[in-house]
Amino acid sequence: GAVVSQHPSWVICKSGTSVKIECRSLDFQATTMFWYRQFPKQSLMLMATSNEGSKATYEQGVEKDKFLINHASLTLSTLTVTSAHPEDSSFYICSARESSGRPSYGQYFGPGTRLTVT
Amino acid sequence: AQSVTQPDIHITVSEGASLELRCNYSYGATPYLFWYVQSPGQGLQLLLKYFSGDTLVQGIKGFEAEFKRSQSSFNLRKPSVHWSDAAEYFCAVGARRTGRRALTFGSGTRLQVQP
Repeated sequence: GAVVSQHPSWVICKSGTSVKIECRSLDFQATTMFWYRQFPKQSLMLMATSNEGSKATYEQGVEKDKFLINHASLTLSTLTVTSAHPEDSSFYICSARESSGRPSYGQYFGPGTRLTVT
Repeated sequence: AQSVTQPDIHITVSEGASLELRCNYSYGATPYLFWYVQSPGQGLQLLLKYFSGDTLVQGIKGFEAEFKRSQSSFNLRKPSVHWSDAAEYFCAVGARRTGRRALTFGSGTRLQVQP
């Protein structure tokens, strides 16, 4: 089956620094990837939709200058949390949608990245 | 806009007992429907999905779900729960018409299994 990886799986950083999280589709091409955030004991909330070769679309209330998304290739999207603060600590999950045209609406989730900002 | 409601925040069942997790959706047409399971600190695993056709959908790990249009529901069931089923379960809906491919998730139901 289709596999999506995320790197790193967990990261601790100091307040004010920036952190980059990678999302890769390992065995398929994905023109669209999604970034979700999940706070402890809560559901997943969509942050942004990442489209290969174009600007990401951010959900209302998500700061695009703080959460920089780059979808540079058909297999890689990156989320950079700039000037991180403790309130950015969360579980970040990406998903990738196959661009093969199969009607399966296939969307595959990465294992998540736990970010802790101290 | 679509939305998903999972009325039960926390459910406890005994091992071997049957299970039903409730999910109600709000959408103007027939949606795409999904159930995912998440173990602590882990990502999401797709259990099953409904796109069209047979309203009773079989998934992995012995789970099934039934789409009931009249009730706007997509409840997840398992006839006999195993201790390894303890996890968080999320129902999600995807829009057919708008082409918006991101999923909207319910708030989740935490399943605890007693020995």
